[in-house]
Amino acid sequence: SAVISQKPSRDICQRGTSLTIQCQVDSQVTMMFWYRQQPGQSLTLIATANQGSEATYESGFVIDKFPISRPNLTFSTLTVSNMSPEDSSIYLCSVVHPGYEQYFGPGTRLTVT
Amino acid sequence: AQSVAQPEDQVNVAEGNPLTVKCTYSVSGNPYLFWYVQYPNRGLQFLLKYITGDNLVKGSYGFEAEFNKSQTSFHLKKPSALVSDSALYFCAVRDTYYGNNRLAFGKGNQVVVIP
Repeated sequence: SAVISQKPSRDICQRGTSLTIQCQVDSQVTMMFWYRQQPGQSLTLIATANQGSEATYESGFVIDKFPISRPNLTFSTLTVSNMSPEDSSIYLCSVVHPGYEQYFGPGTRLTVT
Repeated sequence: AQSVAQPEDQVNVAEGNPLTVKCTYSVSGNPYLFWYVQYPNRGLQFLLKYITGDNLVKGSYGFEAEFNKSQTSFHLKKPSALVSDSALYFCAVRDTYYGNNRLAFGKGNQVVVIP
């Protein structure tokens, strides 16, 4: 399985500001995924990030709000822009194992005040 | 699009008793099915998967799940629950019809194992 780390593990931010979340994988992967888990809810896919191309966003998520970078095969960032309290969530990145299962980072717990 | 239903919000079971967490799915093609567990303040941990082959699959920590195509179900089971199994369990499906790796997750089931 892949070892995935995320920074920061948690943060408290003021509304209107932006936070960039980093995701680092210990091996090269083609696809990385970003999910949001709102309090008491399931996981929702935000976007798929491929190295060397624009991220593909799911319905309801836009690049201006959640810009993603994927500079190489082991790293990605997700920025949550112009935050509001509704953005308070856990943000997780994941990668696909060759056996098709996804492995997840530990998550970034974001609170917007 | 693919979807997953986990009909129960919370599953309570006494320690030592069998544990079952229910999952049904909807796909256009063939399903790849997964179970994940989330402990408090931690990320998701992969438990087991069904891709093809035997309908009964075994995974980590003594968990198993049975794929039932006719009932479109993939229920998670453990013969004897432990207090340490108390956690949030998610079922997820990938629809091979779409040729991508997108996963749809169920809402999750909180499992409480009572000592």
